[in-house]
Amino acid sequence: GQQLNQSPQSMFIQEGEDVSMNCTSSSIFNTWLWYKQDPGEGPVLLIALYKAGELTSNGRLTAQFGITRKDSFLNISASIPSDVGIYFCAGQAGANSKLTFGKGITLSVRP
Amino acid sequence: DTAVSQTPKYLVTQMGNDKSIKCEQNLGHDTMYWYKQDSKKFLKIMFSYNNKELIINETVPNRFSPKSPDKAHLNLHINSLELGDSAVYFCASSQSLNQPQHFGDGTRLSIL
Repeated sequence: GQQLNQSPQSMFIQEGEDVSMNCTSSSIFNTWLWYKQDPGEGPVLLIALYKAGELTSNGRLTAQFGITRKDSFLNISASIPSDVGIYFCAGQAGANSKLTFGKGITLSVRP
Repeated sequence: DTAVSQTPKYLVTQMGNDKSIKCEQNLGHDTMYWYKQDSKKFLKIMFSYNNKELIINETVPNRFSPKSPDKAHLNLHINSLELGDSAVYFCASSQSLNQPQHFGDGTRLSIL
């Protein structure tokens, strides 16, 4: 089946640093989504991407839909302590297909 | 106002019991989902309903039975609970199948 690869499993950065995460797939996706999950809560949508090459920002977050449609990345600039959480990428291959999630990257921010 | 709400938030029960989890969304969405998140945080879809009709049914034991009385509600009934059913179950909704999904805060199911 379709799989999304996110690595490493955990990232540790200093407050104020930028961090980039990527998500890769062996198959093509037509939609890429990035979610963040805080402890004890459900995933919250950060950015949605619908077109190859698309670059979209949401505050300090920027995400891009890869040209090959097999990858996406998320960049967080000037990290702050509340950026701590699990970041999931998710992809959808077609209009009526299920959403496939990556295994998530746990981000820790040292003050 | 909570957009996607699940009850209960915590559920602790014994092996062999039958339990239900309820989900309601007030977003006016047509599509609702159930996901299972395991101890390694992996999120996997179980079911999806669109306008009360089942459209996605992943390989899930038939002890799990979803029911959608109307398009704002999707409940999950689990029969004969097993130890491996311990997980966090998330409900989600979206305007349609190809729109971003909004998640509830999860139901933490623990089987003793």
